[in-house]
Amino acid sequence: DADVTQTPRNRITKTGKRIMLECSQTKGHDRMYWYRQDPGLGLRLIYYSFDVKDINKGEISDGYSVSRQAQAKFSLSLESAIPNQTALYFCATSDPTGVGTDTQYFGPGTRLTVL
Amino acid sequence: DQQVKQNSPSLSVQEGRISILNCDYTNSMFDYFLWYKKYPAEGPTFLISISSIKDKNEDGRFTVFLNKSAKHLSLHIVPSQPGDSAVYFCAASEGLRSGSARQLTFGSGTQLTVLP
Repeated sequence: DADVTQTPRNRITKTGKRIMLECSQTKGHDRMYWYRQDPGLGLRLIYYSFDVKDINKGEISDGYSVSRQAQAKFSLSLESAIPNQTALYFCATSDPTGVGTDTQYFGPGTRLTVL
Repeated sequence: DQQVKQNSPSLSVQEGRISILNCDYTNSMFDYFLWYKKYPAEGPTFLISISSIKDKNEDGRFTVFLNKSAKHLSLHIVPSQPGDSAVYFCAASEGLRSGSARQLTFGSGTQLTVLP
């Protein structure tokens, strides 16, 4: 079974709709992240959470919100989807034990299309 | 402005030869660097990393070189295999010495194609 899972894997929605993307992990990591990938731009950080009570904005948080329901679950919401939020979304986790251990483990991604 | 740049969107190499993927950065505070590999329909997977106190790190067929003065790192794959065909992302973080929470900044990726 995958350590980091994302649901749904694909979603097509319309402008103005509320969308929630979910991420679950069985790695036991405290830190979780949401990224989006756009062609030619790599991965950009939307939000991150270092524990259940800690939520931080990333580089491109406008138009998004998150919820850390438990150590293992981190959800990303688009309150009112717009077409330029069409992208590939990735959830990731990390466990920063020791020095330099920024290694993040990614889920398989959610392809979101906003019409 | 992008702090981590991968200027080559694509690279094709013959099987058995060396693949060299390059990455440049502008933030002198970056002190830890990683390479990720991504296959279609999958998330990125960690490949190899290097801290700024080193200039080389090797893991099997993969070697990462860091040139701090030039703010440049490269990933060498020798010998290249068709299964290495994927998008490769470099990433960087800062704050290694302080041990504070760190974020990763990613480059835009390079599509490597290894031809049989």
